[in-house]
Amino acid sequence: AQSVTQLDSHVSVSEGTPVLLRCNYSSSYSPSLFWYVQHPNKGLQLLLKYTSAATLVKGINGFEAEFKKSETSFHLTKPSAHMSDAAEYFCVVSDLAGANNLFFGTGTRLTVIP
Amino acid sequence: KAGVTQTPRYLIKTRGQQVTLSCSPISGHRSVSWYQQTPGQGLQFLFEYFSETQRNKGNFPGRFSGRQFSNSRSEMNVSTLELGDSALYLCASSLEGTAGGIQYFGAGTRLSVL
Repeated sequence: AQSVTQLDSHVSVSEGTPVLLRCNYSSSYSPSLFWYVQHPNKGLQLLLKYTSAATLVKGINGFEAEFKKSETSFHLTKPSAHMSDAAEYFCVVSDLAGANNLFFGTGTRLTVIP
Repeated sequence: KAGVTQTPRYLIKTRGQQVTLSCSPISGHRSVSWYQQTPGQGLQFLFEYFSETQRNKGNFPGRFSGRQFSNSRSEMNVSTLELGDSALYLCASSLEGTAGGIQYFGAGTRLSVL
Protein backbone atom coordinates (compact mmCIF):
# COMPACT_ATOMS: atom_id res chain seq x y z
CA ALA A 1 0.00 0.00 0.00
CA GLN A 2 1.07 3.55 -0.66
CA SER A 3 1.40 6.24 2.00
CA VAL A 4 3.31 9.42 2.71
CA THR A 5 4.45 10.97 5.96
CA GLN A 6 5.12 14.65 6.23
CA LEU A 7 7.47 15.05 9.11
CA ASP A 8 6.56 18.61 10.08
CA SER A 9 3.07 19.96 10.51
CA HIS A 10 4.34 23.53 10.60
CA VAL A 11 7.52 25.17 9.30
CA SER A 12 8.39 28.80 9.85
CA VAL A 13 11.15 30.59 7.91
CA SER A 14 12.27 34.15 7.39
CA GLU A 15 11.83 35.75 4.01
CA GLY A 16 14.90 35.16 1.87
CA THR A 17 16.05 32.05 3.76
CA PRO A 18 15.90 28.46 2.45
CA VAL A 19 12.82 26.29 2.74
CA LEU A 20 12.88 22.56 3.51
CA LEU A 21 9.66 20.57 3.76
CA ARG A 22 10.21 16.91 4.53
CA CYS A 23 8.34 13.93 3.16
CA ASN A 24 8.89 10.18 3.44
CA TYR A 25 6.93 7.71 1.38
CA SER A 26 6.03 4.07 1.51
CA SER A 27 5.24 2.20 -1.66
CA SER A 28 5.37 -1.32 -2.94
CA TYR A 29 6.13 -0.02 -6.39
CA SER A 30 8.36 2.60 -7.91
CA PRO A 31 6.05 5.46 -7.06
CA SER A 32 4.86 8.60 -8.72
CA LEU A 33 5.25 11.40 -6.21
CA PHE A 34 3.90 14.92 -6.24
CA TRP A 35 3.98 18.10 -4.25
CA TYR A 36 0.86 20.24 -4.25
CA VAL A 37 0.33 23.63 -2.66
CA GLN A 38 -2.92 25.00 -1.27
CA HIS A 39 -3.38 28.69 -0.58
CA PRO A 40 -6.22 29.76 1.72
CA ASN A 41 -9.65 29.23 0.18
CA LYS A 42 -8.09 27.90 -2.99
CA GLY A 43 -7.81 24.50 -4.59
CA LEU A 44 -4.64 22.49 -4.90
CA GLN A 45 -1.97 23.54 -7.36
CA LEU A 46 0.67 21.13 -8.63
CA LEU A 47 4.22 22.23 -7.79
CA LEU A 48 6.11 19.30 -9.27
CA LYS A 49 5.98 15.61 -10.11
CA TYR A 50 8.48 12.77 -9.94
CA THR A 51 8.11 9.87 -12.35
CA SER A 52 11.57 8.21 -12.34
CA ALA A 53 13.00 10.20 -15.26
CA ALA A 54 15.33 12.18 -12.99
CA THR A 55 15.83 12.14 -9.26
CA LEU A 56 16.01 15.93 -8.99
CA VAL A 57 12.74 17.47 -10.07
CA LYS A 58 12.29 21.16 -10.73
CA GLY A 59 8.89 22.69 -10.24
CA ILE A 60 7.20 26.03 -10.43
CA ASN A 61 8.07 29.14 -8.40
CA GLY A 62 11.64 28.00 -7.75
CA PHE A 63 10.74 24.83 -5.86
CA GLU A 64 12.49 21.54 -6.41
CA ALA A 65 12.47 18.10 -4.83
CA GLU A 66 14.93 15.23 -4.76
CA PHE A 67 13.85 11.62 -4.86
CA LYS A 68 16.07 9.42 -2.68
CA LYS A 69 15.12 5.78 -2.93
CA SER A 70 17.58 4.63 -0.26
CA GLU A 71 15.98 7.02 2.23
CA THR A 72 12.43 6.74 0.82
CA SER A 73 12.32 10.52 0.90
CA PHE A 74 11.05 13.25 -1.40
CA HIS A 75 11.85 16.51 0.35
CA LEU A 76 10.78 19.85 -1.10
CA THR A 77 13.22 22.74 -1.11
CA LYS A 78 13.50 26.33 -2.25
CA PRO A 79 16.66 28.44 -1.94
CA SER A 80 14.95 31.65 -0.88
CA ALA A 81 11.48 31.97 0.63
CA HIS A 82 9.08 34.64 -0.55
CA MET A 83 6.08 35.97 1.35
CA SER A 84 3.81 34.54 -1.33
CA ASP A 85 5.07 31.02 -0.50
CA ALA A 86 3.07 31.00 2.73
CA ALA A 87 0.56 28.17 2.25
CA GLU A 88 -0.16 24.52 3.01
CA TYR A 89 1.99 21.98 1.18
CA PHE A 90 1.02 18.39 0.53
CA CYS A 91 3.25 15.49 -0.40
CA VAL A 92 1.27 13.00 -2.47
CA VAL A 93 1.83 9.50 -3.81
CA SER A 94 -0.12 7.94 -6.62
CA ASP A 95 -1.62 4.50 -6.40
CA LEU A 96 0.31 2.56 -9.02
CA ALA A 97 -1.78 -0.55 -8.69
CA GLY A 98 -3.69 0.71 -11.67
CA ALA A 99 -6.08 3.07 -9.94
CA ASN A 100 -6.03 6.81 -10.39
CA ASN A 101 -6.36 7.88 -6.79
CA LEU A 102 -3.94 9.93 -4.76
CA PHE A 103 -2.76 9.42 -1.20
CA PHE A 104 -2.09 12.69 0.58
CA GLY A 105 0.18 13.48 3.46
CA THR A 106 -1.22 15.44 6.36
CA GLY A 107 0.24 18.67 5.08
CA THR A 108 2.87 21.16 6.21
CA ARG A 109 1.87 24.73 6.86
CA LEU A 110 4.64 27.09 5.78
CA THR A 111 4.81 30.49 7.46
CA VAL A 112 7.13 33.13 6.02
CA ILE A 113 8.22 35.84 8.42
CA PRO A 114 8.99 39.25 6.89
CA LYS B 1 -8.13 26.75 -21.39
CA ALA B 2 -10.51 27.01 -18.47
CA GLY B 3 -9.63 25.13 -15.31
CA VAL B 4 -11.74 22.80 -13.21
CA THR B 5 -14.93 24.55 -12.12
CA GLN B 6 -16.86 23.56 -9.03
CA THR B 7 -20.27 24.90 -8.09
CA PRO B 8 -21.47 26.12 -5.75
CA ARG B 9 -18.49 27.42 -3.80
CA TYR B 10 -20.33 27.41 -0.49
CA LEU B 11 -23.30 25.47 0.83
CA ILE B 12 -25.11 25.40 4.13
CA LYS B 13 -27.40 22.48 4.87
CA THR B 14 -29.02 20.92 7.91
CA ARG B 15 -28.72 17.38 9.17
CA GLY B 16 -30.79 14.88 7.25
CA GLN B 17 -30.91 16.88 4.04
CA GLN B 18 -29.20 15.87 0.86
CA VAL B 19 -26.87 17.87 -1.33
CA THR B 20 -25.53 17.77 -4.87
CA LEU B 21 -22.19 19.25 -5.87
CA SER B 22 -21.12 19.86 -9.44
CA CYS B 23 -17.76 19.68 -11.18
CA SER B 24 -16.86 20.66 -14.74
CA PRO B 25 -13.46 19.25 -15.75
CA ILE B 26 -10.89 20.81 -18.01
CA SER B 27 -11.99 20.48 -21.61
CA GLY B 28 -10.84 17.15 -23.02
CA HIS B 29 -10.28 15.52 -19.65
CA ARG B 30 -12.17 12.28 -19.22
CA SER B 31 -11.39 11.39 -15.63
CA VAL B 32 -12.95 13.15 -12.64
CA SER B 33 -12.02 12.36 -9.05
CA TRP B 34 -13.56 13.64 -5.84
CA TYR B 35 -11.82 14.23 -2.52
CA GLN B 36 -12.99 15.27 0.92
CA GLN B 37 -10.82 17.58 3.02
CA THR B 38 -11.40 17.97 6.77
CA PRO B 39 -9.14 19.24 9.55
CA GLY B 40 -9.28 15.89 11.31
CA GLN B 41 -8.93 13.42 8.46
CA GLY B 42 -7.06 15.53 5.91
CA LEU B 43 -7.56 14.83 2.22
CA GLN B 44 -9.29 11.56 1.42
CA PHE B 45 -10.23 10.02 -1.90
CA LEU B 46 -13.96 9.53 -2.47
CA PHE B 47 -14.31 8.12 -5.97
CA GLU B 48 -13.25 8.46 -9.57
CA TYR B 49 -15.31 8.49 -12.75
CA PHE B 50 -14.08 7.79 -16.24
CA SER B 51 -16.28 7.68 -19.32
CA GLU B 52 -19.44 7.82 -17.19
CA THR B 53 -18.38 4.81 -15.09
CA GLN B 54 -17.22 4.74 -11.52
CA ARG B 55 -13.80 3.21 -11.79
CA ASN B 56 -12.51 3.43 -8.25
CA LYS B 57 -13.99 4.14 -4.83
CA GLY B 58 -12.58 5.16 -1.49
CA ASN B 59 -13.70 4.07 1.94
CA PHE B 60 -16.83 6.17 2.39
CA PRO B 61 -20.40 5.08 3.23
CA GLY B 62 -23.01 4.58 0.55
CA ARG B 63 -24.55 7.96 1.38
CA PHE B 64 -21.83 9.38 -0.85
CA SER B 65 -22.48 8.78 -4.52
CA GLY B 66 -21.70 10.35 -7.82
CA ARG B 67 -22.14 10.23 -11.51
CA GLN B 68 -20.55 11.46 -14.67
CA PHE B 69 -22.27 12.70 -17.77
CA SER B 70 -21.34 12.18 -21.41
CA ASN B 71 -19.63 15.60 -21.49
CA SER B 72 -17.44 14.46 -18.55
CA ARG B 73 -19.11 16.81 -16.08
CA SER B 74 -19.60 15.12 -12.74
CA GLU B 75 -21.91 15.46 -9.79
CA MET B 76 -21.48 14.23 -6.27
CA ASN B 77 -24.44 13.59 -4.02
CA VAL B 78 -24.53 13.16 -0.26
CA SER B 79 -27.78 11.95 1.26
CA THR B 80 -28.94 12.12 4.87
CA LEU B 81 -26.30 14.66 5.80
CA GLU B 82 -24.47 14.33 9.10
CA LEU B 83 -22.54 16.98 11.01
CA GLY B 84 -19.32 15.15 10.16
CA ASP B 85 -19.91 15.68 6.47
CA SER B 86 -18.93 19.32 6.88
CA ALA B 87 -15.84 19.63 4.73
CA LEU B 88 -14.23 21.08 1.66
CA TYR B 89 -15.03 18.85 -1.30
CA LEU B 90 -12.48 18.99 -4.07
CA CYS B 91 -12.86 17.77 -7.59
CA ALA B 92 -9.91 16.95 -9.82
CA SER B 93 -9.72 16.13 -13.50
CA SER B 94 -7.08 14.37 -15.52
CA LEU B 95 -6.69 13.58 -19.17
CA GLU B 96 -6.96 9.82 -19.21
CA GLY B 97 -7.00 8.95 -15.55
CA THR B 98 -3.94 6.73 -15.74
CA ALA B 99 -2.14 5.97 -12.52
CA GLY B 100 0.53 8.57 -11.93
CA GLY B 101 -1.10 11.12 -14.19
CA ILE B 102 -1.43 14.73 -13.16
CA GLN B 103 -4.70 15.72 -11.54
CA TYR B 104 -5.86 19.33 -11.74
CA PHE B 105 -7.98 20.55 -8.88
CA GLY B 106 -10.89 22.93 -8.65
CA ALA B 107 -11.27 25.50 -5.88
CA GLY B 108 -13.68 23.25 -4.02
CA THR B 109 -17.13 23.43 -2.51
CA ARG B 110 -17.24 24.17 1.18
CA LEU B 111 -20.17 22.35 2.77
CA SER B 112 -21.37 23.24 6.23
CA VAL B 113 -23.89 20.96 7.89
CA LEU B 114 -25.78 22.49 10.82
